[in-house]
Amino acid sequence: KAGVTQTPRYLIKTRGQQVTLSCSPISGHRSVSWYQQTPGQGLQFLFEYFSETQRNKGNFPGRFSGRQFSNSRSEMNVSTLELGDSALYLCASSLRAAWDGYTFGSGTRLTVV
Amino acid sequence: SQELEQSPQSLIVQEGKNLTINCTSSKTLYGLYWYKQKYGEGLIFLMMLQKGGEEKSHEKITAKLDEKKQQSSLHITASQPSHAGIYLCGADGGRGSQGNLIFGKGTKLSVKP
Repeated sequence: KAGVTQTPRYLIKTRGQQVTLSCSPISGHRSVSWYQQTPGQGLQFLFEYFSETQRNKGNFPGRFSGRQFSNSRSEMNVSTLELGDSALYLCASSLRAAWDGYTFGSGTRLTVV
Repeated sequence: SQELEQSPQSLIVQEGKNLTINCTSSKTLYGLYWYKQKYGEGLIFLMMLQKGGEEKSHEKITAKLDEKKQQSSLHITASQPSHAGIYLCGADGGRGSQGNLIFGKGTKLSVKP
């Protein structure tokens, strides 16, 4: 079966712009989580969606937002980009995010210049 | 909040040698995941452990969760260049932490041919 698909793979944006990243989970998976990975902070949890509802949120500013559609696909948005937002953004899908296991996508590499 | 400490931070081994990576948690582990990551790419799922004393193997990789469920180890037997990468342990925070995996900083493994 198809894995977790993230688009685009690479993005270059200018400071102050906004960006939208997309994640298509494995068919049948209803939970989608987002993570930010940087060399300094490692992998940090952004938020998790299940059946179009945000169930959990990490410690990130309000510039980071997300949503999930009825087909379980998810998008995350970052507004007013800062240089420090440059990172690899990963999404993970799971059946229910309750010890079901998490499958990660290949990530979107965002560079803010 | 829960923290995971991985050791060593990096490891260089000669091809054919065995190695062990450790992951120690500041709190009881409800679910412990091992992932492998190639630089700049997504996480590849290796194994998930939930029960104290549990041990799982896949090909030449064996992971264990100790009886007290606060430490896990990943052992690679007869290492190969294909084993090179960054190994990450991730902890499921238990009830109410949907989708929020806490990750260690990773162990970078290099295998010299």
